[in-house]
Amino acid sequence: KNQVEQSPQSLIILEGKNCTLQCNYTVSPFSNLRWYKQDTGRGPVSLTIMTFSENTKSNGRYTATLDADTKQSSLHITASQLSDSASYICVVSSDNYGQNFVFGPGTRLSVLP
Amino acid sequence: NAGVMQNPRHLVRRRGQEARLRCSPMKGHSHVYWYRQLPEEGLKFMVYLQKENIIDESGMPKERFSAEFPKEGPSILRIQQVVRGDSAAYFCASSPRNTGELFFGEGSRLTVL
Repeated sequence: KNQVEQSPQSLIILEGKNCTLQCNYTVSPFSNLRWYKQDTGRGPVSLTIMTFSENTKSNGRYTATLDADTKQSSLHITASQLSDSASYICVVSSDNYGQNFVFGPGTRLSVLP
Repeated sequence: NAGVMQNPRHLVRRRGQEARLRCSPMKGHSHVYWYRQLPEEGLKFMVYLQKENIIDESGMPKERFSAEFPKEGPSILRIQQVVRGDSAAYFCASSPRNTGELFFGEGSRLTVL
């Protein structure tokens, strides 16, 4: 069964600190992995997309890594800001068709002053 | 350049009533997807539509749920005879093509009393 798991379920850090969120998947075949940020009460917004051949991709203070062999990805947030407080969702797909996206449950990050 | 617009943002219905959720895709986008999000769970695909056509409805319950995307006007997700289990956030996403480049709306939160 295609599944995406994320850990931790929730995380609290102080402003300015770094953190790393984890994603494990069993989706097969694998085509790409996306990370989305979802603010409370809002829709998901894309942060990064990685294909099979990519190991790392950055978007500002966000850096995603991918190990296709172990089927793991991580999202590292550097120098966290209060506005980083949100849910971070890992999405894995075997193709580029939106109907085949497998969404993880998300990690809820709270950044405190 | 307005994003994906969903309304209503919040909807309260009693058991047995009908719920209609509307989604206007981004300008130039002809592909629309509907997803459902339950608390602590990942988004689940419901239906994929293009103008005047349902392309894939494999994620939508056969009973009580229907969707349309008419030639003119927004896409509509209709839930008849709502039950408490229908309470969820319903997200619409649009894309210029079926490439997985999804832009999400802010969601419609349905509460069934």
